[in-house]
Amino acid sequence: QKEVEQNSGPLSVPEGAIASLNCTYSDRVSQSFFWYRQYSGKSPELIMSIYSNGDKEDGRFTAQLNKASQYVSLLIRDSQPSDSATYLCAVNLRNNNDMRFGAGTRLTVKP
Amino acid sequence: DAGVTQSPTHLIKTRGQQVTLRCSPKSGHDTVSWYQQALGQGPQFIFQYYEEEERQRGNFPDRFSGHQFPNYSSELNVNALLLGDSALYLCASSLAGQGGEKLFFGSGTQLSVL
Repeated sequence: QKEVEQNSGPLSVPEGAIASLNCTYSDRVSQSFFWYRQYSGKSPELIMSIYSNGDKEDGRFTAQLNKASQYVSLLIRDSQPSDSATYLCAVNLRNNNDMRFGAGTRLTVKP
Repeated sequence: DAGVTQSPTHLIKTRGQQVTLRCSPKSGHDTVSWYQQALGQGPQFIFQYYEEEERQRGNFPDRFSGHQFPNYSSELNVNALLLGDSALYLCASSLAGQGGEKLFFGSGTQLSVL
């Protein structure tokens, strides 16, 4: 079992729709979870972090965490073409600053 | 405030050669992590340096080695290059002791092995 798994996509949504990205992780001890956005040819940039069960909202982005199910998700409301990128789920394993990434989900938002 | 800087941006090598990549962390950061990202894949953890020592290591062979200097900058060395080593190498810095703190990435070094 991979440490961090994401639905591989690609995912395509129309402009204005909600994009839903999912991620599961294997290590129950993990406490810190992150979503990074990576545009083609660029390095990953942090867009959300979440540490507690439940929802965390930041603008059009909502991260959801369920530690019992070892599941993290990212919702993007009112999707824009500029949101088209690869979204990487990252988990800090055992809080050792050892960040592991999923393979990423490529999102395309069509005008 | 300078972010994470990496050099060089691009590099072309042939099989069997050795390569050294360099990274300067974001100001105030003391921990450097290195990742390998193959095309279409997520970043794969190579290792992490803190206080000039390798603190964590991913599933990479001994051909991959590193170093951290007193000013927190770091080098990644790869010996006996293979075609499969062609990838984007990312350096990320963070501040230790904050448990689950955020990584800040450099722009990466694109390595091509011919």
